Amino acid sequence: DVKVTQSSRYLVKRTGEKVFLECVQDMDHENMFWYRQDPGLGLRLIYFSYDVKMKEKGDIPEGYSVSREKKERFSLILESASTNQTSMYLCASRLQRGLYGYTFGSGTRLTVV
Amino acid sequence: AQSVAQPEDQVNVAEGNPLTVKCTYSVSGNPYLFWYVQYPNRGLQFLLKYITGDNLVKGSYGFEAEFNKSQTSFHLKKPSALVSDSALYFCAVREDQTGANNLFFGTGTRLTVIP
Repeated sequence: DVKVTQSSRYLVKRTGEKVFLECVQDMDHENMFWYRQDPGLGLRLIYFSYDVKMKEKGDIPEGYSVSREKKERFSLILESASTNQTSMYLCASRLQRGLYGYTFGSGTRLTVV
Repeated sequence: AQSVAQPEDQVNVAEGNPLTVKCTYSVSGNPYLFWYVQYPNRGLQFLLKYITGDNLVKGSYGFEAEFNKSQTSFHLKKPSALVSDSALYFCAVREDQTGANNLFFGTGTRLTVIP
């Protein structure tokens, strides 16, 4: 069964900390995505990557960065966590070719205090 | 630009009754349309998609959706709701143009099936 694994289900960090959210997929997918999910706002795209070492800004990249050094791993970095970054973070991946949907991880609920 | 609207934040339906979760979209070219479901504290799971062909698409767990080009809609339906169908449902769209590669999601509709 194909999988997208997010390393933490729940995370509590302090304001100003540097936070790393890790996502690993075992499907050899080229494309990977980071979304945040907030009530009433749905899913908003933070960053995405078409392939290794490639990254593109999504709709709300401010305060975030990403790293894709290996095909299977896509990391989201909060350079200096703030309380307004408290949210559910979802990672997804997809094959570049074909008309496929995304495979999502289970999510990381981040609380910044 | 592409967009998706889910006009209802909440839908309540009695167990055994038919359910509908509404979705309308706006794209420049031909749409590729998707439905996902999210159970509590979980990621999104793929339900079904429309790419081309028959306007009625069947998916997982007995769900189906009807693509209506004239009304730019892709409503999710099920003939008989189960309590276990209670979840958050997201509609998503992608344009069929090179480079417009990403899915754009609606804000979600919370379905509650009442026993």
